[in-house]
Amino acid sequence: EVQLVQSEAEVRKPGECLKISCQVSGYSFTNYWIGWVRQMPGKGLEWMGIIYPGDSDTRYSPSFEGLVTISADKSINTTYLELKGLKASDIAIYYCARHSIGGSVASPFDFWGQGTLVTVSS
Amino acid sequence: DIQMTQSPSSLSASVGDRVTITCRTSQSITTYLNWYQHKPGRTPNLLIYRASTLQSGVPSRFTGSGSGTDFTLTISSLQPEDFATYYCQQSYTIPNTFGQGTKVEIK
Repeated sequence: EVQLVQSEAEVRKPGECLKISCQVSGYSFTNYWIGWVRQMPGKGLEWMGIIYPGDSDTRYSPSFEGLVTISADKSINTTYLELKGLKASDIAIYYCARHSIGGSVASPFDFWGQGTLVTVSS
Repeated sequence: DIQMTQSPSSLSASVGDRVTITCRTSQSITTYLNWYQHKPGRTPNLLIYRASTLQSGVPSRFTGSGSGTDFTLTISSLQPEDFATYYCQQSYTIPNTFGQGTKVEIK
């Protein structure tokens, strides 16, 4: 069974950094692109970026380039989303999701993590 | 980036109604168009991919159509569990942008 399990909700102060995780199981981690999606309160889904864990090839949306870092650790089947210099505008639920076709970004997200709520408050 | 325009942004409908949501893209994406259903407190659920292919396990009352720049999601007979927000997404090019969502509410 394919599963993506994300780290728990986090609270941080403005200016701090945060790394949230997404550990997968039930399929070959290195062979499928995984993406990160943001949902701000009351807003829609925003595509942030993706990583191919096999070689750590990473692509970002221009809206998030330089603001976040996506990485992967093949030894523990985990991908990470690092948020830098947190602001109140970073308050959101962050989802990881797997592209459905191995090796292809031209495919939908078929499995999703449960989401990680990030709160930024002084 | 490819811009996605969904309409309407929200709608009210009754159980049993036929519901149609449209998605227009700023350039041709052939058929690389996906539809998701998202309920509060849940993860998004893939309904349709490649414009018209029903994801396994999704009820047949959901259908997708279109190609190029204009796409449609139709729910043939709205059920109580279908009240949710629906998003289109293009997977033609990176970034794989989402539409702004269509909230389907109970009339």
